[in-house]
Amino acid sequence: NAGVMQNPRHLVRRRGQEARLRCSPMKGHSHVYWYRQLPEEGLKFMVYLQKENIIDESGMPKERFSAEFPKEGPSILRIQQVVRGDSAAYFCASSVTVGGPVNTEAFFGQGTRLTVV
Amino acid sequence: GQQLNQSPQSMFIQEGEDVSMNCTSSSIFNTWLWYKQDPGEGPVLLIALYKAGELTSNGRLTAQFGITRKDSFLNISASIPSDVGIYFCAGQGNNQGGKLIFGQGTELSVKP
Repeated sequence: NAGVMQNPRHLVRRRGQEARLRCSPMKGHSHVYWYRQLPEEGLKFMVYLQKENIIDESGMPKERFSAEFPKEGPSILRIQQVVRGDSAAYFCASSVTVGGPVNTEAFFGQGTRLTVV
Repeated sequence: GQQLNQSPQSMFIQEGEDVSMNCTSSSIFNTWLWYKQDPGEGPVLLIALYKAGELTSNGRLTAQFGITRKDSFLNISASIPSDVGIYFCAGQGNNQGGKLIFGQGTELSVKP
């Protein structure tokens, strides 16, 4: 079984360009989460999506950032007009369901490392 | 908002020694998870805890869900060089969906 797949692994963008990060959840998982990790810090929650719905976007910056999880295809995290401060590792996680006690574990992808130059 | 304090921030130990790290929260969590992250990789789930007081082992790793539901610890026994990495605790609160709050991480170095 394939795990959570993220691509690209590394992405370099110039200031002002758009960055699109893709995440394919594990087979059978319908819940997707995006996290951001700055160097030498823990992961910070950004957004939680279920197929075609944004459930919780409390960690998303109000501007330039958006996320979607369409009925078909991967989840996309989109960052418009990138700035140097957007440079970070972006991780996607998926889970089968929520609310415990079983099958709520989130499994993470290998991340996309975004560098804005 | 909910915050997790993880300690220690880093540890330097000899191979064969036991290791202990812990996390405390300002509020109650329903689930505690422990992850390990290697450089350039995503976090890998080590242990999941779902009940206050629960003690769970995974090989040389043992973790406990504090009785107050505001803390958890992870022990690694007889450390080996491949234990090197960053260990994160993560908590899941009530009515938070699957959203996880992460600690700042404990960086473990093991000297052969």
